[in-house]
Amino acid sequence: QKEVEQNSGPLSVPEGAIASLNCTYSDRGSQSFFWYRQYSGKSPELIMFIYSNGDKEDGRFTAQLNKASQYVSLLIRDSQPSDSATYLCAVIFGNEKLTFGTGTRLTIIP
Amino acid sequence: EAGVVQSPRYKIIEKKQPVAFWCNPISGHNTLYWYRQNLGQGPELLIRYENEEAVDDSQLPKDRFSAERLKGVDSTLKIQPAELGDSAVYLCASSLDPVFLTFGAGSRLTVL
Repeated sequence: QKEVEQNSGPLSVPEGAIASLNCTYSDRGSQSFFWYRQYSGKSPELIMFIYSNGDKEDGRFTAQLNKASQYVSLLIRDSQPSDSATYLCAVIFGNEKLTFGTGTRLTIIP
Repeated sequence: EAGVVQSPRYKIIEKKQPVAFWCNPISGHNTLYWYRQNLGQGPELLIRYENEEAVDDSQLPKDRFSAERLKGVDSTLKIQPAELGDSAVYLCASSLDPVFLTFGAGSRLTVL
């Protein structure tokens, strides 16, 4: 069973601080990694993807990938109340099946 | 460009009743997915279509769930008969490739 593991939270971060979200996955052969944001009562929305080891930055968001440790993370700098949501880590396993973690609920405290 | 359209948005039924959900993907997206999301969980794939062909239905409970995608465009997911444990949000998504999915708003099912 290929799995994606996340801490369900809730994670509370003060406004303006850095939020750090973590994810581990079971299949060492995985090549594609995604972060989706899901507001309460809404559908998931893709915010970041990463394929190579290292960091990928897009505005206030940075995705980090370490394939040796089977670990992917999402950093949100200068956190805003509008960042309060559930963040879903997703991994494409060998059969092209996009598998999601359970999500981490993030709350930004004004 | 219109996104992925799903209906109904909400459905409340009694157990053992049938229910159907409809999805219209983004124009030109050949790949269509049905996911189920239980409260506090991530989405779980039920079935994936490439055009009209179901290429992954390994997680679809075939005793009560069925799906079709006629003409490779719209899709319908049916549950008959519904059970209490089927209460969830049913998400449809589409993509040009198996990487970047766009989700619809979802259909929230409550089984009483």
